[in-house]
This record gives sequence, C-alpha cells and structure tokens, in this order.
Amino acid sequence: EPEVTQTPSHQVTQMGQEVILRCVPISNHLYFYWYRQILGQKVEFLVSFYNNEISEKSEIFDDQFSVERPDGSNFTLKIRSTKLEDSAMYFCASSELEGENSPLHFGNGTRLTVT
Amino acid sequence: RKEVEQDPGPFNVPEGATVAFNCTYSNSASQSFFWYRQDCRKEPKLLMSVYSSGNEDGRFTAQLNRASQYISLLIRDSKLSDSATYLCVVTLHYNNNDMRFGAGTRLTVKP
Repeated sequence: EPEVTQTPSHQVTQMGQEVILRCVPISNHLYFYWYRQILGQKVEFLVSFYNNEISEKSEIFDDQFSVERPDGSNFTLKIRSTKLEDSAMYFCASSELEGENSPLHFGNGTRLTVT
Repeated sequence: RKEVEQDPGPFNVPEGATVAFNCTYSNSASQSFFWYRQDCRKEPKLLMSVYSSGNEDGRFTAQLNRASQYISLLIRDSKLSDSATYLCVVTLHYNNNDMRFGAGTRLTVKP
C-alpha cells in the first residue's frame, strides 16, 4: 500500500537554528498538510497546500514557518529560527481529493527536539 | 466551545467488553467525519469514516447525528490490540479538507 514517508525520523537542533522537515506524499495525492503534536497534547493543524500554494494555515503557522514543494515529489516544512516550544512531533499528511470523506494519510512523523 | 470535543477518558475495560466514545463538534457546516486511532508516539491511522446513515466495520460502529453535532464510535468485543487513543476528526468547512482533531480518548483493554 502506498504511504507517506517522512525524513528524518528524529531531528535535534539548537534554538535559533533553521530546520527543514521533509515529506514524500503519496504519488497521486493532490493535497498536502503539516500537523504537529506536542508531547501529550492533541494533533494540531499547521498548514494545507494545494496547487503549489498554501490553501489554509493556522495561527501557529507564523512567519517562522514556510512550506515548499520544490519538485514533483517532496513537500517540505521549514522552521527558520527554532524555539524551544517548537519541540514536537511533526506529521505530514496527504489526501487524494478535497471534500467529503477524503481521509488524510499520515507519515510516521519527525520528532523535532529543540535544545 | 472547542472545535472538536471528546470524552476525556481514560477508559479501562476488560477484553470482550463493549465501549463507546462520544465526540461533539462546534461548526454546523462541518461535512466530513472520521475516527482515527493513534498508538503511543505513532502517527494517527484512519480507523473509519463516519457516514450520515451510520456505518459498521467489523466490531466497530460509527454514528453521526448532524442535528446534535455528535459522533460516536462503538467497539464491540474489545481486544487487547484495541488499546490506543481514539481521535475524532472533523473537517472544518464544506469542500475544505482541513481537518481538526479532538484531544483523543485513551482506551486500555485489559486481559
């Protein structure tokens, strides 16, 4: 079964550094997402992406964050200057369609630790 | 009111028990509904979509009440492997696939 893949599985970085989290969505999917989950808390929406542009973003997704689809397969999340509170599990997801009953398929996640 | 609200749990049940989870959502325009399960430190995985007429998949039954903005998940004959956190997930707007997650309800099935 096709799956969403994310790399790296764990990233440790120092406060103030830039990180790029990488994702390869399922190949025929058109909608891409980033979610994050701080340890012990709920899954939170960050951003959705369609047709090479952001379609929606949450309050969490401030100017420190950016997303890109640099080629036909990768979908990246960049955090420009990491803060301690950015430590979380970051999940990439994709879906085939928009609208009713088109579920998200999640990658295994990247655990980001900011020290 | 939270966008998606779930029973806080945790639920601790013996094997073979029937357990039900509830979820309410705040936006009446929400159109799509799902139950995901999440194992500890793993990604959410789709358990089942929730359809207006209610639907069943083996031991799992999902119900939707649009008037009350309420979703439920029933697990019959629970197994040890059902132990996980169950996430209620709702799309925020019609024709918008951006989903909002409930905080999850933790289930532990004991022998």
